[in-house]
Amino acid sequence: SQQGEEDPQALSIQEGENATMNCSYKTSINNLQWYRQNSGRGLVHLILIRSNEREKHSGRLRVTLDTSKKSSSLLITASRAADTASYFCALNSGGSNYKLTFGKGTLLTVNP
Amino acid sequence: DVKVTQSSRYLVKRTGEKVFLECVQDMDHENMFWYRQDPGLGLRLIYFSYDVKMKEKGDIPEGYSVSREKKERFSLILESASTNQTSMYLCASRAGGYNEQFFGPGTRLTVL
Repeated sequence: SQQGEEDPQALSIQEGENATMNCSYKTSINNLQWYRQNSGRGLVHLILIRSNEREKHSGRLRVTLDTSKKSSSLLITASRAADTASYFCALNSGGSNYKLTFGKGTLLTVNP
Repeated sequence: DVKVTQSSRYLVKRTGEKVFLECVQDMDHENMFWYRQDPGLGLRLIYFSYDVKMKEKGDIPEGYSVSREKKERFSLILESASTNQTSMYLCASRAGGYNEQFFGPGTRLTVL
């Protein structure tokens, strides 16, 4: 099964800056989801973008999807120290509607 | 808000012991999942249940079994724990279809 690949693996920025993380994949998808995980905790769903959508917003989060390039990006604007976490993209693809395949994540550190 | 709870945050067991990890969700979700998360490997699906008493193997089912006797409860069973099963175990639930998953806080299992 395919797995999304996040890039970069780690990102360190100052509070107030924007953070951009990317996810690339290989085959067609039904939707792509982004999750956040604070250290040692469970994952929290951030945004779901469907294959026929190009952009979605939620508060300070903006997700884009380019199905021709098989890539997605997550932008966090005006970052805060509390945004420090690992961010994962997850793919819902193929005929198996239950399966969500997670990438290995981007570790974002926001320095105060 | 959906709440997914797991029976323990931390668990230490001995090799060969039978281990039960329990997960409960309170939103009448049809689908429930068990993942394990290991550094460098990301999240990997162990088992999935799409309804009461129904289950499907995920990517790494070997050494594990599951039980879903009631809709709100999904148990992961390690029949004979081994040291390579030391990991973070995450439970998730979903309403069905292509929707997002809601995760529990995780159980960090150490097998000595």
